[in-house]
Amino acid sequence: EAGVTQFPSHSVIEKGQTVTLRCDPISGHDNLYWYRRVMGKEIKFLLHFVKESKQDESGMPNNRFLAERTGGTYSTLKVQPAELEDSGVYFCASSQPGDGPEKLFFGSGTQLSVL
Amino acid sequence: AQSVTQPDIHITVSEGASLELRCNYSYGATPYLFWYVQSPGQGLQLLLKYFSGDTLVQGIKGFEAEFKRSQSSFNLRKPSVHWSDAAEYFCAVGRTGTASKLTFGTGTRLQVTL
Repeated sequence: EAGVTQFPSHSVIEKGQTVTLRCDPISGHDNLYWYRRVMGKEIKFLLHFVKESKQDESGMPNNRFLAERTGGTYSTLKVQPAELEDSGVYFCASSQPGDGPEKLFFGSGTQLSVL
Repeated sequence: AQSVTQPDIHITVSEGASLELRCNYSYGATPYLFWYVQSPGQGLQLLLKYFSGDTLVQGIKGFEAEFKRSQSSFNLRKPSVHWSDAAEYFCAVGRTGTASKLTFGTGTRLQVTL
């Protein structure tokens, strides 16, 4: 069974450009989460989808970030325009409905560098 | 608000030596506590968890952790470290109802010398 897949694994862009990160959850996982780790800091929750609906987006830093999950399958996280402080590792995680965090599966992350 | 503190940013141990990684949390009720590991190029992998019951929990790869309510701690231990344990370790806390919305610490990077 395939795990949570994220791509690209690395992205280097210039300030002001747009970047789109993609996450493919495990098949059948309705819950999809985005987390972010800025260099040297903790991993922070960004938002949570249940199928295609945003259940909780309290962690989204500002309106330059747009997350979508059309059709309730894969999700994208777009940063437009990117700023230097957006650099970090973006993790995606998924789980089945009703599963606790012990059944949360993480992807390997996308390393975003904004120059 | 809940928070997690991992006071050690970087730890170096010799292979075969014992290991203890510290984690302190702040939470208003009984927390769900976790330790994750991230090896280079890999995703976050759950090492172990504590929900209730026995305060000493066993995990994968020979790791264990002890929940101490009086100290608000959940330290990770391993009696004998292997070179393959070199990775970054994250402590996290969650709460009921939103159990998958986790609050993480800043991580501890473990280096193992041969």
